[in-house]
Amino acid sequence: GAGVSQSPSNKVTEKGKDVELRCDPISGHTALYWYRQSLGQGLEFLIYFQGNSAPDKSGLPSDRFSAERTGGSVSTLTIQRTQQEDSAVYLCASSSQGVNTEAFFGQGTRLTVV
Amino acid sequence: DAKTTQPPSMDCAEGRAANLPCNHSTISGNEYVYWYRQIHSQGPQYIIHGLKNNETNEMASLIITEDRKSSTLILPHATLRDTAVYYCIVRPRERTSYDKVIFGPGTSLSVIP
Repeated sequence: GAGVSQSPSNKVTEKGKDVELRCDPISGHTALYWYRQSLGQGLEFLIYFQGNSAPDKSGLPSDRFSAERTGGSVSTLTIQRTQQEDSAVYLCASSSQGVNTEAFFGQGTRLTVV
Repeated sequence: DAKTTQPPSMDCAEGRAANLPCNHSTISGNEYVYWYRQIHSQGPQYIIHGLKNNETNEMASLIITEDRKSSTLILPHATLRDTAVYYCIVRPRERTSYDKVIFGPGTSLSVIP
């Protein structure tokens, strides 16, 4: 596709359930980022992939959160045993390897834990 | 962890220039200044970036001080559609394992009719 695609766009889940959020980056982009944005708040960095590897996982809020990226393309953010405080918009961005390259964001997945 | 500081909010009259300041006093020599904006309920949108020279594109101008410790994003003729949160960030020149792209709280710009 032409841009970063995230699915689903909206997800309502019950507390305690697991959820998977998907990000399709722009084709050829080697860098991929996940952020979380709670209502009325700024962007909270979660994790960054360079290719399939994540050099820094320190932004993940707890061990219930995990992310993987396969084939240097699609990434999945998994939240296990969801809690109400996990409710937020989860944003994905990608950028190419070259210098001075901007990150392009998807429209996000709005997760609501009830 | 954000390396930038911005005023939390600003107002601007429609049709006037909006000047959004950003301080990045700890910026290193290989880091660029990037600006993004986020219109309500949308993903952030890239605006412009620069190293040390002033930059201009169809959206905005970026003025970086000579010591590179601060910059100003200029929207020359603000419209109501420019109402958004504007983020100033610093990023390394090359994508490395340190490219966490940390966003601060940004400046909420309100363009007033």
